[in-house]
This record gives sequence, C-alpha cells and structure tokens, in this order.
Amino acid sequence: AQKITQTQPGMFVQEKEAVTLDCTYDTSDPSYGLFWYKQPSSGEMIFLIYQGSYDQQNATEGRYSLNFQKARKSANLVISASQLGDSAMYFCAMREGKDSSYKLIFGSGTRLLVRP
Amino acid sequence: GAVVSQHPSRVICKSGTSVKIECRSLDFQATTMFWYRQFPKQSLMLMATSNEGSKATYEQGVEKDKFLINHASLTLSTLTVTSAHPEDSSFYICSPIDGGTDTQYFGPGTRLTVL
Repeated sequence: AQKITQTQPGMFVQEKEAVTLDCTYDTSDPSYGLFWYKQPSSGEMIFLIYQGSYDQQNATEGRYSLNFQKARKSANLVISASQLGDSAMYFCAMREGKDSSYKLIFGSGTRLLVRP
Repeated sequence: GAVVSQHPSRVICKSGTSVKIECRSLDFQATTMFWYRQFPKQSLMLMATSNEGSKATYEQGVEKDKFLINHASLTLSTLTVTSAHPEDSSFYICSPIDGGTDTQYFGPGTRLTVL
C-alpha cells in the first residue's frame, strides 16, 4: 500500500497566485514527521517545510505553509504568491517514528509550472 | 549550512563495468547514510540504509551484491554499482544524517548513464 500519495502529477499556477499541492499519507505510528521538498531541474533536493505529528499548529516557512489535517491524514503544501522560480518538482515525504535514522519515504511528486 | 558532496556528478560507462560514487559530508559527521535512486520522471526510491561501521540494510528488491555500500567513516560513504547495465542508468542521491543535530541532508546527486 502507498504510504504517501500525491494525486496531482502536474499543476499550473499563474504568477503571484497561491497554489495547493496535495499529499495524503498512511501510517499507524502515532509519531511521524511530514516533509516537503522541492527538486528543480538540477536535481538537488531542497527542504521546504516540516510538520511533526504532535505539532498543534500548522507549519509555516515564509511563502510555504503546510495545511495539516491529522484526522484526514493529509498534509497539503500551500505556496503563496507564486514566483517563476517556484517551477519545479515537489515531493511530499514521511518519516515514521521520532528518530531521524528512520527512513524517509517519498510520494510520486507533483510538477508545478508557474505561468508569467 | 551543511554541505554534502557527491563525486562524480555525472558518469557514463560501458555495460559490464563498475562505477563508484562517493558521498562526503564536509562539515558534519554522518552517523547514518541513506542511498536513493531516482529514475526519470519518477520519485526517489530508497535503496539502502547504512550506519558507520556496519553493514548496510537493503530495501526489498535491491540486490546487495550489485550495489555495494561502504560507510567506513563518518564523513565518507560509497556506492559501487557493479557490472552496470543500461537499466541501472539513474540519478543516485546520497542522504546523510548529521549525528549531532539529527538533521537529514541530501547530496547533489550523480547521474549514471550505462551504454
């Protein structure tokens, strides 16, 4: 069974508008972490934002925010005021357990294209 | 910020040869190392996990005799693709864990093309 599901293979957004990238996850571990990464065409993995399962508030990092709905097991990424440089692949990932030595499992990714 | 290097960044080799990819953590000690593989237009798939001085743990479907991982020091891990074939062509990414801060980083990746 898929642990991390990203149902949008590709998304378009107009520059300066907001966009939501969907991510749902499946785990029975009460302790887990959710991550979003950006991968531009160069291939590097850029960490964007993290949400812990016990965090009471939704995580925010600048223009990135994570809409964490624990009961629905969703962790959607919201990018506000999109910029041309936001065009890239975006991956949602989950780590079960608190220890960072536990493996990070990635979703299939969403390719975002920002239109001028 | 922490820096992770991978060498080479790109490599083209003939079928049947072996290729070694190095991953170095330049300013922290990597107690745990993950190796990922990414085929074109696909996600990162975990290949194996290694701890310094221990044998690597491979994910299901990954041949341990084909993908040799050595994590002999806290700053260097290597992945050797033995007897490479065209289907091994992929983007290989190392991901070390900083043992001091418990932070996971990613290397810039190595693009392997097997002819």
